[in-house]
Amino acid sequence: LAKTTQPISMDSYEGQEVNITCSHNNIATNDYITWYQQFPSQGPRFIIQGYKTKVTNEVASLFIPADRKSSTLSLPRVSLSDTAVYYCLVGDFYMSGAGSYQLTFGKGTKLSVIP
Amino acid sequence: NAGVTQTPKFRVLKTGQSMTLLCAQDMNHEYMYWYRQDPGMGLRLIHYSVGEGTTAKGEVPDGYNVSRLKKQNFLLGLESAAPSQTSVYFCATVSGTSVYEQYFGPGTRLTVT
Repeated sequence: LAKTTQPISMDSYEGQEVNITCSHNNIATNDYITWYQQFPSQGPRFIIQGYKTKVTNEVASLFIPADRKSSTLSLPRVSLSDTAVYYCLVGDFYMSGAGSYQLTFGKGTKLSVIP
Repeated sequence: NAGVTQTPKFRVLKTGQSMTLLCAQDMNHEYMYWYRQDPGMGLRLIHYSVGEGTTAKGEVPDGYNVSRLKKQNFLLGLESAAPSQTSVYFCATVSGTSVYEQYFGPGTRLTVT
């Protein structure tokens, strides 16, 4: 599984756009990039997944450059309720071929939104 | 539709006691997982199951046993609890052929004294 590196913590004011970058230099061809969000005292929640270029949903956008060695989760106009830990996961999550049954969660990035 | 539920929500054990954590899901998902999360850490996979009657070891399986006798239930057992097993335990499920989108339960907070 590809090793990921992301900032331990970030602070942002309400209403700002927040970008959290994850480095994954040894990403493999079949690997996808997935982000989860975890609020205090809750289980993680899937946010978004992508393979290349840009993916957008109602919660966030995911930007992946051509070399795929990093990715950026973008949260538009954050509010206090976006205070959470954000995890970047990289791997082949599809069970065809050599896909893995397992997700590997690192320590994540603790985002604190300030009023 | 309750999704993923975990029983109990909290538990305090003495060293050497045993207990079973129950994860139940009503989404007819094939795959089920048990994770533990320690303060300031990410989640670590204990055991998982890819179908009824099957189980497999994850990253940190020592001291735990699991069973998946029914598709909707995944049990995590501690035969002889140790203080190092003090943690928050999360169960998760997955449908289909990809594990990237997991549905997590609310967690069980276990303290071993």
